[in-house]
Amino acid sequence: KNEVEQSPQNLTAQEGEFITINCSYSVGISALHWLQQHPGGGIVSLFMLSSGKKKHGRLIATINIQEKHSSLHITASHPRDSAVYICAVYRGSQGNLIFGKGTKLSVKP
Amino acid sequence: ETGVTQSPTHLIKTRGQQVTLRCSSQSGHNTVSWYQQALGQGPQFIFQYYREEENGRGNFPPRFSGLQFPNYSSELNVNALELDDSALYLCASSHPSNTGELFFGEGSRLTVL
Repeated sequence: KNEVEQSPQNLTAQEGEFITINCSYSVGISALHWLQQHPGGGIVSLFMLSSGKKKHGRLIATINIQEKHSSLHITASHPRDSAVYICAVYRGSQGNLIFGKGTKLSVKP
Repeated sequence: ETGVTQSPTHLIKTRGQQVTLRCSSQSGHNTVSWYQQALGQGPQFIFQYYREEENGRGNFPPRFSGLQFPNYSSELNVNALELDDSALYLCASSHPSNTGELFFGEGSRLTVL
């Protein structure tokens, strides 16, 4: 069993829909990252969370440390949101991020 | 645009050869970490460099080695290439004062034939 599990693996939505991507982890962490990867390969950091909730534009990320669970929400989804969304947990000070396999999101116009 | 640049963007090697990948970190970032991402998988941590010293290593064999230079740019070297080394290699820079926020490059896609 992977230490970081994401669901769903693939998600197709219609433009305007509210989207939720889930991440569960089984190890102790100091922080959790949500990352966005476009087809070219480059990765953009969306959020880094250690507790509570963060919001940036149409994106909202929440984390429940006790339940070892985080969610990424996208409101009013748009085709340009189509990408792979990756959850990664940070276990300490030596750069050891453990990544989920990603959720491939496709938003249709 | 994250300010992190990687080179080359694509390269093809054959089994047994050696490869060097390069990463220029964002200005002022003294920490660089390297990741390997096989097709369809999430990235895996290779190692991290902080102020020119290796500061953490994932489950990769010694033929994966690295360097960090005084200007904080970094190299990843892989010796005795194997077919399974074919992957996207990503570097990310960070600064302790950024509370761990990472800035990724676009990656170097290595194909081993």
